[in-house]
Amino acid sequence: NAGVTQTPKFRVLKTGQSMTLLCAQDMNHEYMYWYRQDPGMGLRLIHYSVGEGTTAKGEVPDGYNVSRLKKQNFLLGLESAAPSQTSVYFCASSLNRGASGYTFGSGTRLTVV
Amino acid sequence: SQQGEEDPQALSIQEGENATMNCSYKTSINNLQWYRQNSGRGLVHLILIRSNEREKHSGRLRVTLDTSKKSSSLLITASRAADTASYFCATDAWSNYQLIWGAGTKLIIKP
Repeated sequence: NAGVTQTPKFRVLKTGQSMTLLCAQDMNHEYMYWYRQDPGMGLRLIHYSVGEGTTAKGEVPDGYNVSRLKKQNFLLGLESAAPSQTSVYFCASSLNRGASGYTFGSGTRLTVV
Repeated sequence: SQQGEEDPQALSIQEGENATMNCSYKTSINNLQWYRQNSGRGLVHLILIRSNEREKHSGRLRVTLDTSKKSSSLLITASRAADTASYFCATDAWSNYQLIWGAGTKLIIKP
């Protein structure tokens, strides 16, 4: 039972480069989320999805895009990376709202130089 | 935006002692959740307490919720070195789909 799997685990990008972070869950969860975690700032929601084919903006969506073509996958894209996007990115999923907690992936550490 | 604020920011205790962390929030909630994060790892869900519950237990964990004071506490009894981690509270308000996270309490258990 893998839970939530994120790939890659580490990445270094040059400013202006693009990349896609992949999140896959095998728990048949409806809701999926992308967060970034920066020192002293807790978790900030980038985008989320309440079901296959749906996406919505979170607290800090600028510079990111997402897609959820399949229920089990949630992709986070950076079209033109900036140093301010250096962070640790976490994907999470939940079965529903209000009754269960989130299951997190192990994170992707991204450095933009 | 951060609704949950954990207190203290850091806590260092001896193994075997109890550890108490507090979380305060600002708006009405549906539930409040506690998570643990070991260094360099993802967050792990510990416990969820609904707004109509006052206390909940899970193993060595005890969570209380006081909606009148908009606060919650997490008690870890008989602490172990493996409890060394950061602990986060997160609140779920029905107004949106976002959990609102605090900045966390860093707990260090000294052997």
